[in-house]
Amino acid sequence: DAKTTQPPSMDCAEGRAANLPCNHSTISGNEYVYWYRQIHSQGPQYIIHGLKNNETNEMASLIITEDRKSSTLILPHATLRDTAVYYCIVRVATSSNTGKLIFGQGTTLQVKP
Amino acid sequence: GAVVSQHPSRVICKSGTSVKIECRSLDFQATTMFWYRQFPKQSLMLMATSNEGSKATYEQGVEKDKFLINHASLTLSTLTVTSAHPEDSSFYICSAIGRAEQFFGPGTRLTVL
Repeated sequence: DAKTTQPPSMDCAEGRAANLPCNHSTISGNEYVYWYRQIHSQGPQYIIHGLKNNETNEMASLIITEDRKSSTLILPHATLRDTAVYYCIVRVATSSNTGKLIFGQGTTLQVKP
Repeated sequence: GAVVSQHPSRVICKSGTSVKIECRSLDFQATTMFWYRQFPKQSLMLMATSNEGSKATYEQGVEKDKFLINHASLTLSTLTVTSAHPEDSSFYICSAIGRAEQFFGPGTRLTVL
């Protein structure tokens, strides 16, 4: 299973962009990179995912390096409500083709006023 | 968007009793559901994968006779913690795959006295 490495914590000023890095150097060609976040005492919330190309949605942008060994999640204008633990996950393929999401320790993002 | 619900949100029970937690996909059919457990200040740990109409697949180290999983319909999976003990106190989170994405429930806080 491809593993991910994230910094344990980061701070960001409110209104500024938050850039959260993730290393996944052992990712294989058919594995996607997923990002979820978990606000305290709630279930994880899906943010974005990608395979090779950069992706953008209403919540964030995902930049994946050309060699796919690392990626960056960008929250363009962080707010206090974005304070959460952010998980970068490589989706593991299983025989039933419904890949499990295995969570690492994530990055605790603290958005400060 | 897709919603996954859990019931109850919080439960307190005496040691030795059994507790059932329900997980429902509200607006989609989920052939696969997952159960996670999260201890304080730790990441989510996958316990088992539940496929509708078949036996659950448990992760290594998870006792299948203690954590009974039933996935009798495409919208409902249940986790029963049998003969609960204080060390089973945790945050239990279910997840369901719908429309190729994985959505998480709000979690159930179990406290065993």
